[in-house]
Order: sequence, then structure tokens, then C-alpha cells
Amino acid sequence: SQTIHQWPATLVQPVGSPLSLECTVEGTSNPNLYWYRQAAGRGLQLLFYSVGIGQISSEVPQNLSASRPQDRQFILSSKKLLLSDSGFYLCAWRDRRGANVLTFGAGSRLTVL
Amino acid sequence: GIQVEQSPPDLILQEGANSTLRCNFSDSVNNLQWFHQNPWGQLINLFYIPSGTKQNGRLSATTVATERYSLLYISSSQTTDSGVYFCAVYSGNTPLVFGKGTRLSVIA
Repeated sequence: SQTIHQWPATLVQPVGSPLSLECTVEGTSNPNLYWYRQAAGRGLQLLFYSVGIGQISSEVPQNLSASRPQDRQFILSSKKLLLSDSGFYLCAWRDRRGANVLTFGAGSRLTVL
Repeated sequence: GIQVEQSPPDLILQEGANSTLRCNFSDSVNNLQWFHQNPWGQLINLFYIPSGTKQNGRLSATTVATERYSLLYISSSQTTDSGVYFCAVYSGNTPLVFGKGTRLSVIA
């Protein structure tokens, strides 16, 4: 069966420090991968999505970047964090060949101080 | 782009009560999912329901794609049902568009 792993679960970082959040999917190949952010309130904002290795689409211009170095690995990064980057980051995957159900990881809660 | 509206935004129920959550979308979509976000933040897929009706225990969902809405029914609510319920729609390989959610509080 397929599983999605996301880490770290919790992160407290100072302003101006770098960031790296990692997401990996097991049990499938060539998935669509997504990064969402949930800030104050409850809305989910799509940040990046990828349909293949090295293919990244950005939905919102911001202080973050994403990379997909391997088929089932998706990384969210920042060179210098801002206070506004605080939030709950969720990775998700979808199998293009199957039922197209989107499945989320457990999330990473980032606090920038 | 597609707009997704959920109602009501907030709902408080007594344990044992029933409820109906609604999701309206502005354009034709191929697929629709309902999620529950628990108090720890995890988003759990409840239903993948592009059309028709599905049931899973005390929860059921109906999507009428031609009329651009979906309903989520919760019967005999329990405190563990508390959280935020999201509707999300997409077409083909396009990313999901989420509604703003319905925050449900079930009181014992």
C-alpha cells in the first residue's frame, strides 16, 4: 500500500534562517506531488505542485521554493525565512493512473520567531 | 478559476444530532473529495465522490455534478466528529481547489 511521510513534524526557526521540509511517498511511482500551506484560519493555499522529476509549478510568488530530485521525493525550501512563513505545511500526492484520490501527509508545523 | 463555497462556515451540534454540510462549485469538475481535518491538523480523506452517493458508517455524501453541489451528511454525531470539513474539486490533473471549510463542534 502507499504511504506518505513528511518531516519534521514541528519546527521553530529564527527569522533569516534556512528551511528544508521533506516529503516522500512509498508504494507508487510517478505520482503528482503537492505542497500546501495553512496559515491563520482554515484555508489551504496551494504553493507548488509537480508532475515529474525536476518539474515544478509555482502557484504563488513567495519566499519559498520546491524541488523534486527523485520521483517520490518533494522538498520545500527557503534560503531566509520570514515571520510570514509561519504556518502548517502539508505535502500531498495523487496517483495519475488510479482513482485520483489526493492523500495528505501528517503536516509540518513551522513557527518563525 | 473554479470557485468553491462551503456552508455553513461554523456549526455547533449536541452529541447525537444530525447535520448536513454543503459544497457548491462554480464550474464543471471531474472529481470531488471531502476531507476531515482533525484537531491535530491531519487531513483525512472521507469520500472521493465525483457523482452519486456513498456511505461510510455514520457519514454519507451525495454529489450532483450537473447542478454543481455536493452534500456531506453526518448522523448521530459524536465528539470525535469535531474538526474542519473541507470540500475540494478538480478536473483532470489540475491541482485541487479547496473551499474554506466548515468548522464543526460537537458538544457532549
